[in-house]
Amino acid sequence: DAGVTQSPTHLIKTRGQQVTLRCSPKSGHDTVSWYQQALGQGPQFIFQYYEEEERQRGNFPDRFSGHQFPNYSSELNVNALLLGDSALYLCASSLVGTAAGEQYFGPGTRLTVT
Amino acid sequence: AQTVTQSQPEMSVQEAETVTLSCTYDTSESDYYLFWYKQPPSRQMILVIRQEAYKQQNATENRFSVNFQKAAKSFSLKISDSQLGDAAMYFCAYRSARTQGGSEKLVFGKGTKLTVNP
Repeated sequence: DAGVTQSPTHLIKTRGQQVTLRCSPKSGHDTVSWYQQALGQGPQFIFQYYEEEERQRGNFPDRFSGHQFPNYSSELNVNALLLGDSALYLCASSLVGTAAGEQYFGPGTRLTVT
Repeated sequence: AQTVTQSQPEMSVQEAETVTLSCTYDTSESDYYLFWYKQPPSRQMILVIRQEAYKQQNATENRFSVNFQKAAKSFSLKISDSQLGDAAMYFCAYRSARTQGGSEKLVFGKGTKLTVNP
């Protein structure tokens, strides 16, 4: 049973550039959530996708956007990168209708903005 | 908005001993879920234990157990017979039981770094 996978593992970008991160959910899951984890902090919710639509959004600017594909995989796009966007980006998947909606996390993508 | 507070940035424990990590939360909701996640240096967040707010019985998973005090909004994690592999960051997380066409977001605390000494 494949777990949540993310690509790439590491990424280095220059300020002002754009980046796309990818996530494949755990087999059987239909919902993908994205989190940003700054160094030494807990993860912060960015947004969640279900049925190919953004269902919830955290307190992040419009530079952060996403997409969910028919196979439930998802992308996170960040435009006009700032130094402060350097963080670990975590993807989590879950299944609608399960009691606790437990979220299973991928290994993350470490983004460094220089 | 819900908040989660972990007041212990770092904790240490001797191998085979017991340690308790603290977590408090703030919410006006009556139905929710609480979680403890473990994040080792490999970065992957692993679910350790889950508690439903409507259940009075504290959850237990092998060496891991919680002390859930709903009125006090407290949710501590006890690790018994600590092992070297337990060393990691531990995050407490809250999730509303409401659904909006998808699973509700997780709200995390800042984490507690647990060191296990041999």
